[in-house]
Amino acid sequence: GAVVSQHPSWVICKSGTSVKIECRSLDFQATTMFWYRQFPKQSLMLMATSNEGSKATYEQGVEKDKFLINHASLTLSTLTVTSAHPEDSSFYICSAGRTGFSNQPQHFGDGTRLSIL
Amino acid sequence: GDSVTQMEGPVTLSEEAFLTINCTYTATGYPSLFWYVQYPGEGLQLLLKATKADDKGSNKGFEATYRKETTSFHLEKGSVQVSDSAVYFCALSDRLGNQGGKLIFGQGTELSVKP
Repeated sequence: GAVVSQHPSWVICKSGTSVKIECRSLDFQATTMFWYRQFPKQSLMLMATSNEGSKATYEQGVEKDKFLINHASLTLSTLTVTSAHPEDSSFYICSAGRTGFSNQPQHFGDGTRLSIL
Repeated sequence: GDSVTQMEGPVTLSEEAFLTINCTYTATGYPSLFWYVQYPGEGLQLLLKATKADDKGSNKGFEATYRKETTSFHLEKGSVQVSDSAVYFCALSDRLGNQGGKLIFGQGTELSVKP
């Protein structure tokens, strides 16, 4: 079964709306989660590293005021796309790894397809 | 910085054909290597992994061997099925065993298997 749950799976909203996406690790703790963005027919681009209890680390070129990340607990990270515009339409995917376990790979959520009208 | 390069797709094969998807990497450290698969409209699923040189990862008939001398991690399957149609991503982690380390992905290779 899924070990990382992402919600919602699909959202359509008007330009200017803020959208929150949740990423939960279901049966393990994750001090670190990752947020990726994927354009059609392209690879995953890492946006930011979400750290429990501290500020997220953003990749170069990613606007931290546009993509707000909160990692308030060991099982939940949220990505909020603020004042979304059509160019923010994309597939957003989160991942998490088991804290303290070596050689364990990242588990991915099923992604959120965001469409801004 | 670290990077992953995959062969370009799409790759179109007939059912039961042999599959190879090439993957090479550059890394300053000693990365772990992964293959992930993405079915249409879904997230990524781990297909297989290898954490040290000469390790062979295998799953569902797919195999890949960590070749440090050629910095490669080519994906192979002896007989593909229509259900294998998906996009395959090669990736490396920046820490041994991907213990919370971020993944660096190749560009993905789309595989289409025809009956």
